[in-house]
Amino acid sequence: GAVVSQHPSRVICKSGTSVKIECRSLDFQATTMFWYRQFPKQSLMLMATSNEGSKATYEQGVEKDKFLINHASLTLSTLTVTSAHPEDSSFYICSARVAGSRLTDTQYFGPGTRLTVL
Amino acid sequence: GNSVTQMEGPVTLSEEAFLTINCTYTATGYPSLFWYVQYPGEGLQLLLKATKADDKGSNKGFEATYRKETTSFHLEKGSVQVSDSAVYFCALSGTRAQKLVFGQGTRLTINP
Repeated sequence: GAVVSQHPSRVICKSGTSVKIECRSLDFQATTMFWYRQFPKQSLMLMATSNEGSKATYEQGVEKDKFLINHASLTLSTLTVTSAHPEDSSFYICSARVAGSRLTDTQYFGPGTRLTVL
Repeated sequence: GNSVTQMEGPVTLSEEAFLTINCTYTATGYPSLFWYVQYPGEGLQLLLKATKADDKGSNKGFEATYRKETTSFHLEKGSVQVSDSAVYFCALSGTRAQKLVFGQGTRLTINP
């Protein structure tokens, strides 16, 4: 149980284009999803917290107009990198928190999406 | 604010060796503590967790005990295998915040 999928797993795009990454909780409902960015050989950096039906909360230094997050349902959140540039190339990972009490506060992670901007 | 400090890597061991990866934390209240593992090119997988003091999380031969008195959550395994080679992240989730705070990760390589 508690499987999270991401699509696509890899994407290569040209500079200036937009890329959408999907994050789905396959067998549970997730009221909260998180988006992380990971640079090579580094830890995860939280970009934003996404709650179903409301606007995402972005971490300091993350451009909300560049990284658009939509959490339209309890099983789907999307991250759109708008007008991508080479410096946006990274490994993007989502996670989902099981809906319920604090006792179920575990986050389950997707397999990640490798974005390369040429 | 909350923070997690992990033993610096990389760590290289021989197969069947004993493993310890140290993790200490700073947090207010009563956080939950986690160990995640990341295999090459993949996302993170939950390895084990503990939600209160003196709890022991265990999975796949790995163990970690929530020590409030030393604010630690060290990861141990009695006999490692080549397949355990990965990056290990210690993390905490605060009392009220939903956010996970990660340590810097420890790269583990097991040689046959």
